[in-house]
Amino acid sequence: EVQLVQSGGGLVKPGGSLRLSCEASGFTFNIYSLNWVRQAPGKGLEWVSSISHDSRYIYYADSVKGRFTISRDNAKNSLYLQMNSLRAEDTAVYYCAKDPYGFDPWGQGTLVTVSS
Amino acid sequence: QSVLTQPPSVSAAPGQKVTISCSGSSSNIGNNYVCWYQQLPGTAPKLLFCDNTKRPSGIPDRFSGSKSGTSATLGISGLQTGDEADYYCGTWDSSLSAWVFGGGTKLTVL
Repeated sequence: EVQLVQSGGGLVKPGGSLRLSCEASGFTFNIYSLNWVRQAPGKGLEWVSSISHDSRYIYYADSVKGRFTISRDNAKNSLYLQMNSLRAEDTAVYYCAKDPYGFDPWGQGTLVTVSS
Repeated sequence: QSVLTQPPSVSAAPGQKVTISCSGSSSNIGNNYVCWYQQLPGTAPKLLFCDNTKRPSGIPDRFSGSKSGTSATLGISGLQTGDEADYYCGTWDSSLSAWVFGGGTKLTVL
C-alpha cells in the first residue's frame, strides 16, 4: 500500500522553528517528486513547496520563501520541511503529498499552531 | 484570493447531477493539466483524477471532468449523501512556478 506517514508539528511561539517529517512506504521513493500543502483552520488548500526526485528542483510559495526549507533523504524514504521564523499566519494543518500527475496520496496531516 | 476561481458552494438533491467550475488563465489551466480533489470532513484531500484520466482505483465514474480553454469543470452524477465534501481544483502555474488551487467548493446534497 502506498502510504505517507507524517510526524512533527505542535505548538510553537512566533519566531520559533519546527521540523515536519513525512515517511513514505509502498513505492519507489527516489523517483518521485514530493510536495507540502497546508490548510489554515476553516480555509482552503495552499501549496507550500515542492522538491524533485533528486532534490535538484525546489520551489516555494512566496508566503514561505526564505523561511521554510524543503529537503528529502532518499536513503530513508523521508521528506522534511524545516520551518523557521514562524508567524501566526503559518498556523495550519500541513500535508505531504506525492507527485506526479496529481497529488496522490496525501499524508494524514499534522497541525502546526503558532501562538504565544 | 485564489489564482483559480471556484463557486463557494453548490447543492443538489440525491440522484441529481451537479457541476463545479474552475476558472483560471493561460498560465495555468490553459496550458497544464487540471486535477480535482475531494476532501471529506475532517480528512485529508483525496485525488479524484487529472484531466479526466488517470483515475485512482476506487474513484467511480460518476465523477467526470472536462476542460475548455482556461476553465475546467467537475461533474458529479447520481449524487449520494456521501458525496458531501469540499472539492478543489488544482494545477501548475507556469508564470508563478507554483502549484495553485481553487478556493474550494462545498457540496451539499439536500
